[in-house]
Amino acid sequence: GNSVTQMEGPVTLSEEAFLTINCTYTATGYPSLFWYVQYPGEGLQLLLKATKADDKGSNKGFEATYRKETTSFHLEKGSVQVSDSAVYFCALTSMDSSYKLIFGSGTRLLVRP
Amino acid sequence: NAGVTQTPKFQVLKTGQSMTLQCAQDMNHEYMSWYRQDPGMGLRLIHYSVGAGITDQGEVPNGYNVSRSTTEDFPLRLLSAAPSQTSVYFCASRVDGYNSPLHFGNGTRLTVT
Repeated sequence: GNSVTQMEGPVTLSEEAFLTINCTYTATGYPSLFWYVQYPGEGLQLLLKATKADDKGSNKGFEATYRKETTSFHLEKGSVQVSDSAVYFCALTSMDSSYKLIFGSGTRLLVRP
Repeated sequence: NAGVTQTPKFQVLKTGQSMTLQCAQDMNHEYMSWYRQDPGMGLRLIHYSVGAGITDQGEVPNGYNVSRSTTEDFPLRLLSAAPSQTSVYFCASRVDGYNSPLHFGNGTRLTVT
């Protein structure tokens, strides 16, 4: 079946540090991959997406590359800010007729000044 | 532009009580869905709908009912609340297509005592 595995948090970094949040997936077919971000007290917001192998999604300084050979979609940012503190979710679209979105368990990021 | 609106924001129920969580979207999205978010488990799909009059079960449908009489509204009903249904509930919608991102409401925090 389809599933998404994320690194456990929390991840604690100092401001301007480099960020990597690992995400691997299991899926049939060629799913689309997403990163969502959830700020405290809010719903999830789309951060970036990639729809085919070797695509790179990017937004607000965050990047992730769709790696089919390693079934991974790791999230990276070169220099984090305090305002990046949030929970990050990796997700994929199931390729059955429902196109359901399947989420990982989320990784909390805390950036200290 | 309201997007996805959920009401109420908070609710406390006693075991056995019933209630309806409301969800409305003003983006003319065909696809709507309900997720629950529990610590360490990410988001799990409860029910979804691909259009008015069409609903289907997700990963954790037991104890919940849905209906979709209009494109705009997708209420979630708890017929007899149980403590295991204590969670944060999110409604989300999107345009058709597996590449389309979900748009989330801000959630309803439900406590069942």
